[in-house]
Amino acid sequence: SQQGEEDPQALSIQEGENATMNCSYKTSINNLQWYRQNSGRGLVHLILIRSNEREKHSGRLRVTLDTSKKSSSLLITASRAADTASYFCATLYAWGGGADGLTFGKGTHLIIQP
Amino acid sequence: KAGVTQTPRYLIKTRGQQVTLSCSPISGHRSVSWYQQTPGQGLQFLFEYFSETQRNKGNFPGRFSGRQFSNSRSEMNVSTLELGDSALYLCASSFAQGVAYEQYFGPGTRLTVT
Repeated sequence: SQQGEEDPQALSIQEGENATMNCSYKTSINNLQWYRQNSGRGLVHLILIRSNEREKHSGRLRVTLDTSKKSSSLLITASRAADTASYFCATLYAWGGGADGLTFGKGTHLIIQP
Repeated sequence: KAGVTQTPRYLIKTRGQQVTLSCSPISGHRSVSWYQQTPGQGLQFLFEYFSETQRNKGNFPGRFSGRQFSNSRSEMNVSTLELGDSALYLCASSFAQGVAYEQYFGPGTRLTVT
C-alpha cells in the first residue's frame, strides 16, 4: 500500500519559476527521501531528511518536514527544462527497520515549459 | 565510480516462462534492493539483500525470489510469469544494510510478458 501521497499529481510551470510539491504520509517514519525519475528510467536520489530534522537544502532544492502534520514539501527554485521529471517521496516506517523497504508515493509529474 | 548496472535492459517473455534479472551494485556497496514499478501500483519493494542474505521482503508471492553473491551482485527470478508481471524492475544499492540510507538506482529492466 502507498504510504506517501504526492500532491499535485501533475504540475506545469514556466522555466525560471519555482515548483512546489507536497507529500503526505500516514504513520510515523524514520526518514523521508525524495527521488527524481526521468521518463521511465532509474531513480535519482535527491535529499534524505530524518524525522528529527525540519528542513534541508541541496543546491536549488529545499525540503521541509512537518512530523506533526505528517507531511513534507519539495521546493525547486529557478526551474530549468532539465527538471522535467517525476518526483517521488519515499518513507521508511519508524518501527519497520526496513522490513517493508522504502514505500513510495505515486509521484508528481513536473513539466517545465521553455 | 561506475553506477548500478542492470541486465538485460529489455526483455520480452511469454506467460508461464521464468526470467532472471541481474544487478551489479556500485563498487563497495553491500546492500541491494529490488523494486517493481507499474503504472497501476507504482513503485513497490520486493526484497533487500545484504551480505548474501535476504534481510527484508515485500508483499509479493513466492514466484519472486532473489539471491546475492559474494561480490554483492544480485539476481532476481520470477517463475511462472503472469501478464501482470510486466513492469520496470529496478535495483538499488547502498553501502550499509537497510533502506534508511540513500539508495542508488540502476536504469531498470523493462519486462514485458505476452
